[in-house]
Amino acid sequence: EVQLLESGGGLMQPGGSLRLSCAASAFTFSSFAMTWVRQAPGKGLEWVATIRGSDGSGSDGSTFYADSVKGRFTISRDNSRNTLYLQMNSLRAEDTAIYYCAKVWTGNGWLLDYWGQGTLVTVSS
Amino acid sequence: DIQMTQSPSSLSASVGDRVTITCRASQGISHYLAWYQQKPGKAPKLLIYAASTLLSGVPSRFSGSGSGTDFTLTISSLQPEDVATYYCQKYHSVPLPFGGGTKVEIK
Repeated sequence: EVQLLESGGGLMQPGGSLRLSCAASAFTFSSFAMTWVRQAPGKGLEWVATIRGSDGSGSDGSTFYADSVKGRFTISRDNSRNTLYLQMNSLRAEDTAIYYCAKVWTGNGWLLDYWGQGTLVTVSS
Repeated sequence: DIQMTQSPSSLSASVGDRVTITCRASQGISHYLAWYQQKPGKAPKLLIYAASTLLSGVPSRFSGSGSGTDFTLTISSLQPEDVATYYCQKYHSVPLPFGGGTKVEIK
C-alpha cells in the first residue's frame, strides 16, 4: 500500500531555514507528481507547491508554487531515494502549520490521492 | 486565480439526517472538483473526484454533483463516523486552491 512519511518539522526562529522530507514507498515514485499542502493550527488546507515526475518519459520535474511561498520555498525530489523535499527559507510566523506531502494521481489533473500524516513546523521567537 | 468558496462553514445535524455542503468556483472548472474528508487529528483523505465519482470503499451515503462553478456534497444519512471537516478542491491545473472547509458535527 502507498505510504508517505514526512519528517523534519520542528521549532524554528523567524528568518530561519528548515528542510522537510517525505519518504515514499509502494509506487514508482519517479513517475508521479508530488505536492506539499499545509494547514495552520485550527485553519483550512493551503496548497504550497507541486513538482512533476521526472522519469524521462515526458515528465520533466517542473515545479509550481503558491504566491505565499514563492521565492522562499523550494520543492525538489530525489528519485534514487524515493524522497520528496521542501526547503523552507526566510521562515515567517505565518508559515507555522502541519505540512503534508501528497501523491498526485497521474492522468487525472492534479488530484491528490494519497496523503502522509504530516509534520509540524512552528516558527516562533 | 480561481477561488473556491464553501458553505456553510459548519453544521450540526442529527444521526440519520441528510446533509448538504456546497462549493462554488469563481470560474468554471468543468468536472475537476474533488472532496476530501479530514477527521480530527488526521490527514485529509480523498472522498470524491470528478465531482461525482466515489473513491473505492467510500460508503454510498456520500454523493457529489455539479459541474462548471457549482458543486454539492451530500451525505444521505449522517452517521457518527462522518464527523469531520470536508474540503473541496479544484484540480485541473495549478494553483490548487481548497475551499475553506465545512465542519460537520452531530447534534
